[in-house]
Amino acid sequence: SQQGEEDPQALSIQEGENATMNCSYKTSINNLQWYRQNSGRGLVHLILIRSNEREKHSGRLRVTLDTSKKSSSLLITASRAADTASYFCATDVGRLVFGKGTKLTVNP
Amino acid sequence: GAGVSQSPRYKVAKRGQDVALRCDPISGHVSLFWYQQALGQGPEFLTYFQNEAQLDKSGLPSDRFFAERPEGSVSTLKIQRTQQEDSAVYLCASSLFGDRGRSGTQYFGPGTRLTVL
Repeated sequence: SQQGEEDPQALSIQEGENATMNCSYKTSINNLQWYRQNSGRGLVHLILIRSNEREKHSGRLRVTLDTSKKSSSLLITASRAADTASYFCATDVGRLVFGKGTKLTVNP
Repeated sequence: GAGVSQSPRYKVAKRGQDVALRCDPISGHVSLFWYQQALGQGPEFLTYFQNEAQLDKSGLPSDRFFAERPEGSVSTLKIQRTQQEDSAVYLCASSLFGDRGRSGTQYFGPGTRLTVL
């Protein structure tokens, strides 16, 4: 069964805008990871945030983690058409448990 | 270097047939994972190997599913007597370390899309 719940399920924005995706989970975690999946392709690891971290940056990506609320957010700044993909959060409970994903469309 | 590769990329099977899906992890990676991804869903964990040892097979949906990694590198996921509900993308991932407490970054292959008619 899937633990993570991404919100929204789908998001459509214009190039240059920021995109924010949220993830909620249910149990204690070792870390939380975000992955991207382009249509028909495998998953690509984006960023890992440990349970004792609150915020992490990587390029145009910013991830926050609030373990008291059991939630995380992924912010993509200055989005590009190439960012169009599905984004999944995955909680590490000794194995990865994925949510259902947010489908992001960035319109040129 | 080469990433994780999977073969075949697409497989069509008639209901009742046996299928074998292959995964070549990144060389030297200790951990190997199999996931099943249904259309419109996130991947769901099937099984985990640390080298040749299958340490967790709690996600395998039935005893028709069997996985092995006999020499600690290449892995095969076998599905016997396939059913229509087995239709999905099967993803393989590997990671460098074998620390069960923390999965760490996993590197995914492109997946095998299985369609059971």
